[in-house]
Amino acid sequence: DQQVKQNSPSLSVQEGRISILNCDYTNSMFDYFLWYKKYPAEGPTFLISISSIKDKNEDGRFTVFLNKSAKHLSLHIVPSQPGDSAVYFCAAYGSGNTGKLIFGQGTTLQVKP
Amino acid sequence: DADVTQTPRNRITKTGKRIMLECSQTKGHDRMYWYRQDPGLGLRLIYYSFDVKDINKGEISDGYSVSRQAQAKFSLSLESAIPNQTALYFCATRRAGGETQYFGPGTRLLVL
Repeated sequence: DQQVKQNSPSLSVQEGRISILNCDYTNSMFDYFLWYKKYPAEGPTFLISISSIKDKNEDGRFTVFLNKSAKHLSLHIVPSQPGDSAVYFCAAYGSGNTGKLIFGQGTTLQVKP
Repeated sequence: DADVTQTPRNRITKTGKRIMLECSQTKGHDRMYWYRQDPGLGLRLIYYSFDVKDINKGEISDGYSVSRQAQAKFSLSLESAIPNQTALYFCATRRAGGETQYFGPGTRLLVL
């Protein structure tokens, strides 16, 4: 069973517009969430994170929103740039200190010039 | 210089062969992880290690083994490779108490 789900395999947006990537989770014990970006032939790189005690975290063009009641988080990129084209993974830590990250399937974002 | 390196970057092998994938890090982190990525499935945890003497199975450890030779080195072995182990393999590190995992560039493995 997939505890972290990214139901949109792909997303295409125009340069300058907003990109919204969505992620749903099933385990209410998850207490920390991260977004990673991955370019072809490279490893995932950390983008932004949010603790379950917050509902929003912002870093430049990137904002992550967490809705605990809906078990949903989203990543907003504003404005989108062609260099943002990549695969985006959301991931969650369970409770405890095992450091086991549970990943979603990924969403491929294409930003068109 | 890369903080987390993986060798080889690409590998083709045959069914039944034993192979080893290596990971080294210069970040000084004590926690290291091995994941595999398959299309449509995201990354799944194979093994993780909190220090040289602490090795733990992840969700898909069958068919794999690991060795933590030093704090900076964590190797993944496929004792007898099979075609469904064809995947992208990533090593990651994390500082104790930190939340972010830092990934290597990956090894693309093809088992024929």
